Amino acid sequence: SQKIEQNSEALNIQEGKTATLTCNYTNYSPAYLQWYRQDPGRGPVFLLLIRENEKEKRKERLKVTFDTTLKQSLFHITASQPADSATYLCALVRDDKIIFGKGTRLHILP
Amino acid sequence: DTAVSQTPKYLVTQMGNDKSIKCEQNLGHDTMYWYKQDSKKFLKIMFSYNNKELIINETVPNRFSPKSPDKAHLNLHINSLELGDSAVYFCASSQEGQASYEQYFGPGTRLTVT
Repeated sequence: SQKIEQNSEALNIQEGKTATLTCNYTNYSPAYLQWYRQDPGRGPVFLLLIRENEKEKRKERLKVTFDTTLKQSLFHITASQPADSATYLCALVRDDKIIFGKGTRLHILP
Repeated sequence: DTAVSQTPKYLVTQMGNDKSIKCEQNLGHDTMYWYKQDSKKFLKIMFSYNNKELIINETVPNRFSPKSPDKAHLNLHINSLELGDSAVYFCASSQEGQASYEQYFGPGTRLTVT
């Protein structure tokens, strides 16, 4: 069965630097890969979606890459700010089935 | 304006009781979902539902049942609650009947079974 691995440890990044989060999967390549942000006590909020035939997607300070050979997606936040502190979840979609990773907690230090 | 709303926000109940969680979306979406997020923070889909089809995750006990009075509402009924049902339950919706589309989540309902 498909398994998703995200950094289990919290990630501490200095303000202004680029934060890079990793999402690895073990089995079949998804048709789509999504990234969400979740703040404590709130529901996840959709950020970006990338398709299996796309290498990179950008939205403002966010960038997502997708490497089906490595079975990996990287999520980058450039010029990070304390307000970017949250848990970031990746989700894999194939055949209308969606599987979420456990998420990575990101702390941007002022 | 809240896009996806859930009630109650918190629910504390005893084992063996039956409870319901309500969900409403005002986005005009066709498909709604229920997710469970356990203490380890794993977010797992339980059901997806549109006016044509109910798709059930086979790991969900039949004590859980979604009920949709109309396209904008999907309620979750839980019978004979167990300690292991304690979790945060999220309702979500998407524009099309495909999980590839972005999911809009509600604020969650924290269920505690004692």
